[in-house]
Amino acid sequence: NAGVTQTPKFQVLKTGQSMTLQCAQDMNHNSMYWYRQDPGMGLRLIYYSASEGTTDKGEVPNGYNVSRLNKREFSLRLESAAPSQTSVYFCAIRTSGGRGGETQYFGPGTRLLVL
Amino acid sequence: AQRVTQPEKLLSVFKGAPVELKCNYSYSGSPELFWYVQYSRQRLQLLLRHISRESIKGFTADLNKGETSFHLKKPFAQEEDSAMYYCALLTGFQKLVFGTGTRLLVSP
Repeated sequence: NAGVTQTPKFQVLKTGQSMTLQCAQDMNHNSMYWYRQDPGMGLRLIYYSASEGTTDKGEVPNGYNVSRLNKREFSLRLESAAPSQTSVYFCAIRTSGGRGGETQYFGPGTRLLVL
Repeated sequence: AQRVTQPEKLLSVFKGAPVELKCNYSYSGSPELFWYVQYSRQRLQLLLRHISRESIKGFTADLNKGETSFHLKKPFAQEEDSAMYYCALLTGFQKLVFGTGTRLLVSP
C-alpha cells in the first residue's frame, strides 16, 4: 500500500519549459490537493479536487493547471515555467472518519528547480 | 479571515529542555487544528489533532479558544525531535491553512 506517490522526485527546468507533476493515490479517497512549500511561507494550496472531474483554485493558482481525470490521479501542469515556481510540491489526499476526524495525508514531494 | 500564525521561525533548545512551539489562529467558525511534522527532506506527517486529545512522541497540544492558540509542548526534548513543525487549521471547505512553520533544533 503505497498511499500517495508523486513523480518525478526532482526536476530541473529552464524558464518557459512545460512539465506535468503526477500524483496518484491507492487509498480510494475523493479529495486531492496540490500545495507548494517555500521557505518562510509554509505550505500554500494551489488547487484542489473534491472528486473526479472537479477542480477548484486554491490560494496560489496562477501559472498552474490541474487535471483530475479519474479518482486515482491528480496532475499539476506548469505550461511555461518561471523561476518563481521553484519550490517543493506536495500532493495530499483527504482522509476522513474514525475517532480522530479528518485530516490530510501527504505524498513525498517533488522538488522543482526552474533556471 | 482564516489565518494561522507561528511567530518563531527557529527554536533552538538543548536535549532534555522543555519545548513549546507557538501557534495562534484566526477563524470565525469552530476550529479544527492540527500539528504536522516534517523531518529532513521527508513528507509531512500528522503529529497531533486537537479533536483526538492525544499525546504522540511525548508531544501534547491544547486548544485554547479564549486565546485562539494551539501551542505544541513537550516536557523533555530529544535530538530526534529536530524537524520542521507546521500548525494547520481546517477550514469549512475541507482545506488546510498552514502556518509558516517553526524549525525545532535540539542540540546534544
